[in-house]
Amino acid sequence: DTAVSQTPKYLVTQMGNDKSIKCEQNLGHDTMYWYKQDSKKFLKIMFSYNNKELIINETVPNRFSPKSPDKAHLNLHINSLELGDSAVYFCASSRFLRLNEQFFGPGTRLTVL
Amino acid sequence: AQKITQTQPGMFVQEKEAVTLDCTYDTSDPSYGLFWYKQPSSGEMIFLIYQGSYDQQNATEGRYSLNFQKARKSANLVISASQLGDSAMYFCAMREPNQAGTALIFGKGTTLSVSS
Repeated sequence: DTAVSQTPKYLVTQMGNDKSIKCEQNLGHDTMYWYKQDSKKFLKIMFSYNNKELIINETVPNRFSPKSPDKAHLNLHINSLELGDSAVYFCASSRFLRLNEQFFGPGTRLTVL
Repeated sequence: AQKITQTQPGMFVQEKEAVTLDCTYDTSDPSYGLFWYKQPSSGEMIFLIYQGSYDQQNATEGRYSLNFQKARKSANLVISASQLGDSAMYFCAMREPNQAGTALIFGKGTTLSVSS
């Protein structure tokens, strides 16, 4: 049983395109996240989303926007893709203010050509 | 200032030996959580172990244990009896409940190589 799933696993696209990555969790968690792992393997939070409250990392360009149709889903939309957006994007989920758990999806490797 | 510091870019260990991966953290919040994740070459993030700031005992999960020294702000991961399958990148991370978003803050990671 997959806890946190993401689609697609790989995404190759041209500069300037708009793309989405989907994330779903079946853990009953109420908080979801998007992280970006760059080419040096550094992981950094992009967004946290809890009970319709969005916390945005101020360094994230506004071309990136999370969309949550319900508690189990948090999709990531990226407009006008740039070369520097190439990275691995991880979705994760947890219970709000529960310190002891955060589970990650398998990651989506985005390559912008 | 870095909140999570992993000073070892790479570590090498022989099979069946124990290895310690270092992690120091910085926070003024009395309530926080410390995590270790493993990322093999296949890319997924695998949760290994968690230590809460108020936990009296060091956390253990199978061959993994967390050497938590609160006064020194260190949370080192100890892997006993290393196996070839332990070769991976290991990330230390912290979660502060009072910070916006309660997301994890990661260190830069340590690459562990286990040889036979």
